[in-house]
Amino acid sequence: DVKVTQSSRYLVKRTGEKVFLECVQDMDHENMFWYRQDPGLGLRLIYFSYDVKMKEKGDIPEGYSVSREKKERFSLILESASTNQTSMYLCASSLTTGAAYEQYFGPGTRLTVT
Amino acid sequence: AQSVSQHNHHVILSEAASLELGCNYSYGGTVNLFWYVQYPGQHLQLLLKYFSGDPLVKGIKGFEAEFIKSKFSFNLRKPSVQWSDTAEYFCAVRSNFNKFYFGSGTKLNVKP
Repeated sequence: DVKVTQSSRYLVKRTGEKVFLECVQDMDHENMFWYRQDPGLGLRLIYFSYDVKMKEKGDIPEGYSVSREKKERFSLILESASTNQTSMYLCASSLTTGAAYEQYFGPGTRLTVT
Repeated sequence: AQSVSQHNHHVILSEAASLELGCNYSYGGTVNLFWYVQYPGQHLQLLLKYFSGDPLVKGIKGFEAEFIKSKFSFNLRKPSVQWSDTAEYFCAVRSNFNKFYFGSGTKLNVKP
């Protein structure tokens, strides 16, 4: 079974703090993704990475950065957290080749910025 | 830009009723299509997927979906829902660049 784990289920941070969200997958997937999930908006892609040290902006990258130093780990960084970044953050991974293009998701991190 | 539209935001059904959730996408190229489900308090998990071939695909727990290319649609169906199908359902499209686009989700409440 593919496992995607996220470092925290719940996180509360103050405005202006630097926030790190960590994601680890154990199936040697090339691609990793960060989404935020908000009610009525579905999942919106923040960043994705198709290889170590490679990254691509998604639809809403402003205020976020990412780091992928190892294949299994993909970090989302909020340089200076703001209240409008209060959300559920989901990490996912997928293979690039073969029929298994589907994404596997982690349990999510619910971030509250006060 | 790509978009995925789910027409129903909230659906309430009684057990044994039939279900159809609409999904339309805007993308002219080859698409891979997915339905994901999120049960209360759980991870998003794959319900079914379409890559090629038979446009009628079957997934887990009795769900199926039909890809109609001319209508850019990929509607989800189940003949008889159960209380345990209460969840949020997301339609998704994968583009050529390995990016996934998700709809806004449909919350399904099944009354026992």
